[in-house]
Amino acid sequence: EPEVTQTPSHQVTQMGQEVILRCVPISNHLYFYWYRQILGQKVEFLVSFYNNEISEKSEIFDDQFSVERPDGSNFTLKIRSTKLEDSAMYFCASTGQSNTGELFFGEGSRLTVL
Amino acid sequence: AQSVTQLDSHVSVSEGTPVLLRCNYSSSYSPSLFWYVQHPNKGLQLLLKYTSAATLVKGINGFEAEFKKSETSFHLTKPSAHMSDAAEYFCVVSEPGGSYIPTFGRGTSLIVHP
Repeated sequence: EPEVTQTPSHQVTQMGQEVILRCVPISNHLYFYWYRQILGQKVEFLVSFYNNEISEKSEIFDDQFSVERPDGSNFTLKIRSTKLEDSAMYFCASTGQSNTGELFFGEGSRLTVL
Repeated sequence: AQSVTQLDSHVSVSEGTPVLLRCNYSSSYSPSLFWYVQHPNKGLQLLLKYTSAATLVKGINGFEAEFKKSETSFHLTKPSAHMSDAAEYFCVVSEPGGSYIPTFGRGTSLIVHP
């Protein structure tokens, strides 16, 4: 069964460093998302991506964040200068052409900022 | 605008007894509704979905949910809890006509006692 894969599963970084989280969505999907879950809190929407551009973004997704789909398969989230409060689980998701809202999630990337 | 409220942050049941996890939604359109489960240190797995077909939806692992438009509810139930059901459960709403960004509830932690 096709699945969304995310790497790394866990990354530890120093405050101020740049981090890139990678995702490979399901191959025929067209809509891509990043969500974040701070430990013990709700799952929050960060950004959605369609047709090679950002379609929606939340207030959380400020100038330190960026996304791109560099090669037609990978979908990356870059955090330019990490802060302590960026420590969270980051989930990538994708959905197909019909976009009923059903998201297919990866296993998540846990980011720890020291 | 869409929103979802999970009425209980924690639900505690004994193994073999029924489970009820409550979810109320708000949507300007006819929404799609989902329940996802997250086991400790795992990703998000779709339990079941409502996308304007039958109002009683059956999912995996014996769970089901009923869409009640008059009550704007989509409560998750299971007749008999199993120890392996202990997890975090998220109700998610997504509405058409806009950007279809799924919105998560805060989550309900299901605790199952032997």
